[in-house]
Amino acid sequence: LAKTTQPISMDSYEGQEVNITCSHNNIATNDYITWYQQFPSQGPRFIIQGYKTKVTNEVASLFIPADRKSSTLSLPRVSLSDTAVYYCLVGDLAGTASKLTFGTGTRLQVTL
Amino acid sequence: GAVVSQHPSWVICKSGTSVKIECRSLDFQATTMFWYRQFPKQSLMLMATSNEGSKATYEQGVEKDKFLINHASLTLSTLTVTSAHPEDSSFYICSARQTGGGKAFFGQGTRLTVV
Repeated sequence: LAKTTQPISMDSYEGQEVNITCSHNNIATNDYITWYQQFPSQGPRFIIQGYKTKVTNEVASLFIPADRKSSTLSLPRVSLSDTAVYYCLVGDLAGTASKLTFGTGTRLQVTL
Repeated sequence: GAVVSQHPSWVICKSGTSVKIECRSLDFQATTMFWYRQFPKQSLMLMATSNEGSKATYEQGVEKDKFLINHASLTLSTLTVTSAHPEDSSFYICSARQTGGGKAFFGQGTRLTVV
């Protein structure tokens, strides 16, 4: 299982773009990269998923370099409601035996 | 996105009793479900992986006789905390992955307090 490393915490002001980078040096060929957001006392919420290059949806972008040893979640113009913990997970989506293991996550604090 | 419903959202029980938590995938079939526990300010810790129709695979250090997992159908998995003690108080979260692989979706979590 590919281990992930993220910054423990980040601070941002409302309206700024936030980039959270995750390192996964031993990512396997079949592994996808998935990001989740978690608010206190709630289950994680899916944000975005990708395999390579760039993926964009209505809430975020995910940048993955060619070597796939890292990935960056980009949140455009954050608001106070984006204050949460963000987790990067790496795993083989097709393998039913593939476990979903969480790292420490990044605690993002957005202020005015 | 797909919906995973977890019930109850919170429960308080007396020490020594058992508590059952249900996890349902409402609009998709889930061959694989995961159970986690989370302590305050910490990350989610995987307890076990359950596959429909077979025995769950428990992570090291998780007592299978204490945390009973049943995954009898493609839309329902249950976690029973047997003979609960105050140290079992935690936030329990389930996750369901669509049959054939793909994204995993999480329930809203269950706050268990053992008194």
